[in-house]
Amino acid sequence: GQNIDQPTEMTATEGAIVQINCTYQTSGFNGLFWYQQHAGEAPTFLSYNVLDGLEEKGRFSSFLSRSKGYSYLLLKELQMKDSASYLCAALDSNYQLIWGAGTKLIIKP
Amino acid sequence: GAVVSQHPSWVICKSGTSVKIECRSLDFQATTMFWYRQFPKQSLMLMATSNEGSKATYEQGVEKDKFLINHASLTLSTLTVTSAHPEDSSFYICSASRPSGGAYEQYFGPGTRLTVT
Repeated sequence: GQNIDQPTEMTATEGAIVQINCTYQTSGFNGLFWYQQHAGEAPTFLSYNVLDGLEEKGRFSSFLSRSKGYSYLLLKELQMKDSASYLCAALDSNYQLIWGAGTKLIIKP
Repeated sequence: GAVVSQHPSWVICKSGTSVKIECRSLDFQATTMFWYRQFPKQSLMLMATSNEGSKATYEQGVEKDKFLINHASLTLSTLTVTSAHPEDSSFYICSASRPSGGAYEQYFGPGTRLTVT
């Protein structure tokens, strides 16, 4: 079966760095997405990785290892507004997104 | 670019009535549109995938006669919840996709919160 695993909840301090991990098992693989979702709102796109390695975009970076079925989202210089759920989603061979349950990130001052 | 709108943003209806939700891609032609449902503190649950001019593909467990999807054009898809019941109360989100560098990135609408009383 197809499966995405990510931690349910994480807590971090304002100004610090946090890494949210995601492992996936899919039928075929065409890339991995990270989305941010604030409570009561729709998800917004953060990143897309299809090749191994690290992609940096401002305070957010995303890493992919296809051989390990593993990705992480790295958030630096955390701000209170970063408190949200972070959704990991893998694109399978049919170009269908398989969604993780999301990681709720709580930022404390 | 890549803006998706959804209407209405929230709706309250009585049990037994039908509710129509519209999803529009405002500045691009969407290859495919998706309908999701999200219950509190849970992840997105894909309900159906639709391509313009063809019948929607429903996920297992989703009643196609209850959740009617019409994909009339490359910029408009509608979801009609027929004979709504309180258990249908949820956050309904649509997304639209287009090929982007080889990936089918999904752009999400703002969501519609449905409450059935």
